[in-house]
Amino acid sequence: GAVVSQHPSWVICKSGTSVKIECRSLDFQATTMFWYRQFPKQSLMLMATSNEGSKATYEQGVEKDKFLINHASLTLSTLTVTSAHPEDSSFYICSARDPRTGETQYFGPGTRLLVL
Amino acid sequence: DAKTTQPTSMDCAEGRAANLPCNHSTISGNEYVYWYRQIHSQGPQYIIHGLKNNETNEMASLIITEDRKSSTLILPHATLRDTAVYYCIDHTDKLIFGTGTRLQVFP
Repeated sequence: GAVVSQHPSWVICKSGTSVKIECRSLDFQATTMFWYRQFPKQSLMLMATSNEGSKATYEQGVEKDKFLINHASLTLSTLTVTSAHPEDSSFYICSARDPRTGETQYFGPGTRLLVL
Repeated sequence: DAKTTQPTSMDCAEGRAANLPCNHSTISGNEYVYWYRQIHSQGPQYIIHGLKNNETNEMASLIITEDRKSSTLILPHATLRDTAVYYCIDHTDKLIFGTGTRLQVFP
């Protein structure tokens, strides 16, 4: 299957700071990427759809000014958690749609964020 | 909200076949059936997908009923490494995850 990476794999930051998470498709170009969040013992929740060269589409209830998404190239999307607070601590996972396989999404390994 | 329903948990002996059911009561004609799994603290892993016909790949087999209201993922010879949460999803342009089935493979 296609390979998607994320960086960093984990990050600890102080409350009030901003954190950037990168998602890369390593062996294919992805016009569409997705960002999910997962709290302990819960399922994945879709946060937003990231489209290369255009604005992201956010799911209901997700603050676009808090979770900034940039999809500046066909292999990179970034999620910036601005002014992070302890309640933003979570497991953030991205996926990328591989055009070679239609609608199939491939997921990154996830980024664990802890806000102190 | 997720549209599929799955049992909360299942057990399977190592080496035996694991059959994971899924109900797709509201699936529409253009929605594919997708299966992913998530091993603890990792990103989901794609397993298999299908529209109408049964499918097989190196990981699993997918059986879809003729009315498409239910599907079954089959892991033919389960190993301890198959212990994970398995998700079935009715997919169009985005994936909406439900609570999945926690499969425990025991020795």
